[in-house]
Amino acid sequence: DAGVTQSPTHLIKTRGQQVTLRCSPKSGHDTVSWYQQALGQGPQFIFQYYEEEERQRGNFPDRFSGHQFPNYSSELNVNALLLGDSALYLCASSLGVLRNTIYFGEGSWLTVV
Amino acid sequence: AQSVTQPDIHITVSEGASLELRCNYSYGATPYLFWYVQSPGQGLQLLLKYFSGDTLVQGIKGFEAEFKRSQSSFNLRKPSVHWSDAAEYFCAVGATGGGNKLTFGTGTQLKVEL
Repeated sequence: DAGVTQSPTHLIKTRGQQVTLRCSPKSGHDTVSWYQQALGQGPQFIFQYYEEEERQRGNFPDRFSGHQFPNYSSELNVNALLLGDSALYLCASSLGVLRNTIYFGEGSWLTVV
Repeated sequence: AQSVTQPDIHITVSEGASLELRCNYSYGATPYLFWYVQSPGQGLQLLLKYFSGDTLVQGIKGFEAEFKRSQSSFNLRKPSVHWSDAAEYFCAVGATGGGNKLTFGTGTQLKVEL
């Protein structure tokens, strides 16, 4: 049973560039959320996708956008990268949007220079 | 809005000693609660969860946690710590109907002395 998989695992971008991170949810899951974890902090909720629509959004600017595909996989896009966007980006999946167990991937480490 | 407080930033215990990591939450209704563990450079691994019912929940790796509504707490315990338990531990709260929107504490870094 494949868990949540994310790619790439590490990447380095230059300030002002754009980045796309990818996530495949755990088998059988249809809901994907993205979190940002800065060094030394707990994860912060970015947004959630269900049925290919953004359902909830945290306190992140519009530079952060996403997409969910019919196979439930998801992308996180960040435009006009800032140094402060350097973080571990975690994808989480679950079945539905109600109370359910939430599983996380290993994350994508983004460094902005 | 919900919030989570993990009062201890760092904890050091000797191998074989018991462990308790504290977690206090703020949420108006019945929350659902999670404990995750994160090893350096890794993602989050689910240790245990509480949705409803029995307030003492068992998890993986010998961990357990107790939900105490009167104290708004969900403390994580382990009777005998192993050196491999050294990691960062995060408590998280989810809102009813809130889907995947978890609010995390700032984490507790556990060091195990041999």
